Amino acid sequence: AQSVSQHNHHVILSEAASLELGCNYSYGGTVNLFWYVQYPGQHLQLLLKYFSGDPLVKGIKGFEAEFIKSKFSFNLRKPSVQWSDTAEYFCAVSNTDKLIFGTGTRLQVFP
Amino acid sequence: EADIYQTPRYLVIGTGKKITLECSQTMGHDKMYWYQQDPGMELHLIHYSYGVNSTEKGDLSSESTVSRIRTEHFPLTLESARPSHTSQYLCASSEYASGNTIYFGEGSWLTVV
Repeated sequence: AQSVSQHNHHVILSEAASLELGCNYSYGGTVNLFWYVQYPGQHLQLLLKYFSGDPLVKGIKGFEAEFIKSKFSFNLRKPSVQWSDTAEYFCAVSNTDKLIFGTGTRLQVFP
Repeated sequence: EADIYQTPRYLVIGTGKKITLECSQTMGHDKMYWYQQDPGMELHLIHYSYGVNSTEKGDLSSESTVSRIRTEHFPLTLESARPSHTSQYLCASSEYASGNTIYFGEGSWLTVV
């Protein structure tokens, strides 16, 4: 069955620190990969997505993610986080049928 | 960006009451979804629909039911609410053309007392 694993449940960083959130998935076929962000009190928003082509995907707010097919991974990165990046981050995988989410990573950034 | 509207945003209701959470989208998306999310926890797919008159159970068993009579509307109903139904319910929609990118509503927070 399709599944998504996010290794970091809670990450605490200071502003300007670099960020990398891990995401691994299990599915043998062609998949589309997503990162969603949920800011406190707000709805889920799409951060970035990968369908095909360049495995390094750039999203909004300076985020990027790299698809490594051999590792079944789609890690999210940001070189320098800001206090406003405090949020919950969800990795998700879909085939043509439905979208499966990881358990989420709560990121707290302190000034 | 899809426009997804959910009502009510917040609801506190007594045990045994029937409730319907409304969800509408204005982009003509074929597929619609309901996810359930407890605070600080992962999202679980409970229902989805491929289009009008199509409804499917998701990965997490739910006592709720859904209907899809119109493309833009995908209400979720609990016939008899229980405290265990207390959660956030997120409606979403997508279209095949966008590679199944899913856009979410703001969620409905349900508390059953």
